[in-house]
Amino acid sequence: ETGVTQTPRHLVMGMTNKKSLKCEQHLGHNAMYWYKQSAKKPLELMFVYNFKEQTENNSVPSRFSPECPNSSHLFLHLHTLQPEDSALYLCASSQGRGGDYGYTFGSGTRLTVV
Amino acid sequence: RKEVEQDPGPFNVPEGATVAFNCTYSNSASQSFFWYRQDCRKEPKLLMSVYSSGNEDGRFTAQLNRASQYISLLIRDSKLSDSATYLCVVSSNTGKLIFGQGTTLQVKP
Repeated sequence: ETGVTQTPRHLVMGMTNKKSLKCEQHLGHNAMYWYKQSAKKPLELMFVYNFKEQTENNSVPSRFSPECPNSSHLFLHLHTLQPEDSALYLCASSQGRGGDYGYTFGSGTRLTVV
Repeated sequence: RKEVEQDPGPFNVPEGATVAFNCTYSNSASQSFFWYRQDCRKEPKLLMSVYSSGNEDGRFTAQLNRASQYISLLIRDSKLSDSATYLCVVSSNTGKLIFGQGTTLQVKP
């Protein structure tokens, strides 16, 4: 596989469920990101990892818990979500901070909380 | 003031038209600039980098004006397949990329 792969592509979960989103990048990048994009809204940066260390948490509620075991894998653990958390969750990676070649995005997980 | 500002549109243009989008940014120290394209319900994809000297890729031309802190994207001979949201992207002081809210383009037959 090449690029940035996200699974699952679609997820429907109840407010009491626990689920995890997975992201894997095959580009040799050292930085990975989680973004949230709600309908007709801009991208919202959630978390930044650089060499598997979290370098940024943009005041994200604790019901979202990221995990980065290595530079190629990123998870977003979800629990007790709210309906307003329904959105497209995008993972991205970059070499360095992205200034040279930008970010490469995965296809996203479309999450619906019921 | 937003770090990156774009007119959300939508821009509705006929096929074959030339359309231009502008984007302004607040950080005069920004070093890297990009245009991304995002199709409906899909992920953003890099369209082109923006260089100080301006650059062209087929029907697409990107320009940077550092003095006025704006970036432009010109699309010539618009195709139906150009319909998408175009995101202006600028680097921050720390090198992190900041995404604008996007400008929506609808090309009509």
